[in-house]
Amino acid sequence: DAGVIQSPRHEVTEMGQEVTLRCKPISGHNSLFWYRQTMMRGLELLIYFNNNVPIDDSGMPEDRFSAKMPNASFSTLKIQPSEPRDSAVYFCASTRSGANVLTFGAGSRLTVL
Amino acid sequence: DAKTTQPTSMDCAEGRAANLPCNHSTISGNEYVYWYRQIHSQGPQYIIHGLKNNETNEMASLIITEDRKSSTLILPHATLRDTAVYYCIVRVANSGNTPLVFGKGTRLSVIA
Repeated sequence: DAGVIQSPRHEVTEMGQEVTLRCKPISGHNSLFWYRQTMMRGLELLIYFNNNVPIDDSGMPEDRFSAKMPNASFSTLKIQPSEPRDSAVYFCASTRSGANVLTFGAGSRLTVL
Repeated sequence: DAKTTQPTSMDCAEGRAANLPCNHSTISGNEYVYWYRQIHSQGPQYIIHGLKNNETNEMASLIITEDRKSSTLILPHATLRDTAVYYCIVRVANSGNTPLVFGKGTRLSVIA
């Protein structure tokens, strides 16, 4: 079991550029969550999917953020255009129905200059 | 909507037991107490969860008061690698399809 795999681990970009973060959940897990962590706001839920369907995206900061889950083994979080205030660590987590444990990836650290 | 209250930080001597408290006075009858921890630069990691009985696993013990309004996570012999932020979360069990809501947690520093 390779766990939840996120890429890239680190991304440095300039303001205005498009950023795409990727997540591969654990095989067999049917729920996927995107979180963002900053010093000021802690861990915040951005969006989550059940069976590839977005359930709650109320945590997505604004229209510049979008997330997709085209199949059970892949999800993306896109920021376009990026801004310095988007600098944070973005975590992906997955779990399966009826489970008690969310498994988190190692995170993607984004720096927008 | 985090429903728990935890101290901001705690220190513990290496080799001693670390006792991390959590208040959850508004916990509902069908809500469990979960503990996760986050070691620096890593994703949160599940530790343990319980309803009303005390629980123990290879990582820690969870003591829940009889009225369920508070609990304590115990790391019996803390090591330097246990230095992390510990999150106490209340959540309906077997609700794997719903997200965890994180508060600010307790920053535990294990000191040599």
